Amino acid sequence: DIQMTQSPSSLSASVGDRVTITCRASQSIGTYLNWYQQKPGKAPKLLIYAASTLQSGVPSRFSGSGSGTDFTLTISTLQPEDFATYFCQQSYIAPRTFGQGTKVEIK
Amino acid sequence: EVQVVESGGGLVQPGGSLRLSCAASGFTFSSYDMSWVRQAPGKGLEWVSSTSGNGGSTYYADSVKGRFTISRDNSKNTLYLQMNSLRAEDTAVYYCSKGSRPAPMRDYFDYWGQGTLVTVSS
Repeated sequence: DIQMTQSPSSLSASVGDRVTITCRASQSIGTYLNWYQQKPGKAPKLLIYAASTLQSGVPSRFSGSGSGTDFTLTISTLQPEDFATYFCQQSYIAPRTFGQGTKVEIK
Repeated sequence: EVQVVESGGGLVQPGGSLRLSCAASGFTFSSYDMSWVRQAPGKGLEWVSSTSGNGGSTYYADSVKGRFTISRDNSKNTLYLQMNSLRAEDTAVYYCSKGSRPAPMRDYFDYWGQGTLVTVSS
């Protein structure tokens, strides 16, 4: 199975900060990398697919980049509603595996 | 508006069985793969099982293979997960999710239900 490793596991940031989360795959996955946001007690929500394509309705302060094994999710200007846990997920090879999550907390 | 709504969770004893359902609306159900993804309390996301749009292909995580069966009734726009021989480690919130393609590969989960909690305990 492809292992997905996110860093950091958690971070503290302030409203207005620029935040970057990294996801690394154990082997090359092209751009078959998706990002999800999950708030406590809620279902995950798709933010970005195919490494860099913003899902409809997602604010443009979210962006994704990368290919091969290294990917990043960037929030350009952190808003209060962005405090949540973020997961990456590869869909290149079955089984589709997720990263362990990055919790973004209020500083 | 796309909606997926899970039901059927609850408390079951180890070794028992449970069937989850997921009612879908707002899209052409038979045109998309559907999946179950679970999340143990305080843990991350784990893909469990997927089925192609026509139901002809099914896929399972090694952790549930031989114990869980995914199926769909396209006439009722409903996805199912039959869970047998349940173990404590199957305790989780189970999410139904819609895929972005007819086949569950190289796609993404674009809509998720609110989840249904399965607790396996004596």
